[in-house]
Amino acid sequence: AQSVTQPDIHITVSEGASLELRCNYSYGATPYLFWYVQSPGQGLQLLLKYFSGDTLVQGIKGFEAEFKRSQSSFNLRKPSVHWSDAAEYFCAVGARAAGNKLTFGGGTRVLVKP
Amino acid sequence: DVKVTQSSRYLVKRTGEKVFLECVQDMDHENMFWYRQDPGLGLRLIYFSYDVKMKEKGDIPEGYSVSREKKERFSLILESASTNQTSMYLCASSLMRGGTNEKLFFGSGTQLSVL
Repeated sequence: AQSVTQPDIHITVSEGASLELRCNYSYGATPYLFWYVQSPGQGLQLLLKYFSGDTLVQGIKGFEAEFKRSQSSFNLRKPSVHWSDAAEYFCAVGARAAGNKLTFGGGTRVLVKP
Repeated sequence: DVKVTQSSRYLVKRTGEKVFLECVQDMDHENMFWYRQDPGLGLRLIYFSYDVKMKEKGDIPEGYSVSREKKERFSLILESASTNQTSMYLCASSLMRGGTNEKLFFGSGTQLSVL
């Protein structure tokens, strides 16, 4: 069965500083990987996704993520955070063999200090 | 853009009540999903549907059922609500059956409290 771990429950970062959110997955074959963001009171919005090819993926809002097969990781990064990036971030893994179901990690809540 | 609408933002129910959570999408998507979101546990899949009158169990279906009589509408039913079903419920849809790489579109969620 597939699984996702987001080791950091909370992260606090200063506005303008860089941000990295960790995601580790468990799956036997090549997974499909996603990052979603949930702003307060909102539904989840897709930031970016990886299926194959270039392991560095660019997303919306200036985010990028890198797939590292050897480390079973798909970490999310942003060079300079804005106050509007305060939200909860979810990593998810999907696989055709799993019947198209997405498995989500526990989430990382990001707080941005002025 | 796709709109996924959940009928209630907040619901308060009593233990033992039958509860209906409604979800409607407006873009002719084939797939619809119900998740519950709990702090520290992320999103967990309850049920999903690839077509009208079709349903499949997710990871935590116990205590829930679903109904999909029309393509655009997917209902989650709590037959006899219990306090451990207090949670945020999120509905989502995606375009095509078999589309593992499909983007999910989410509603804003229903915060259900069972007293």
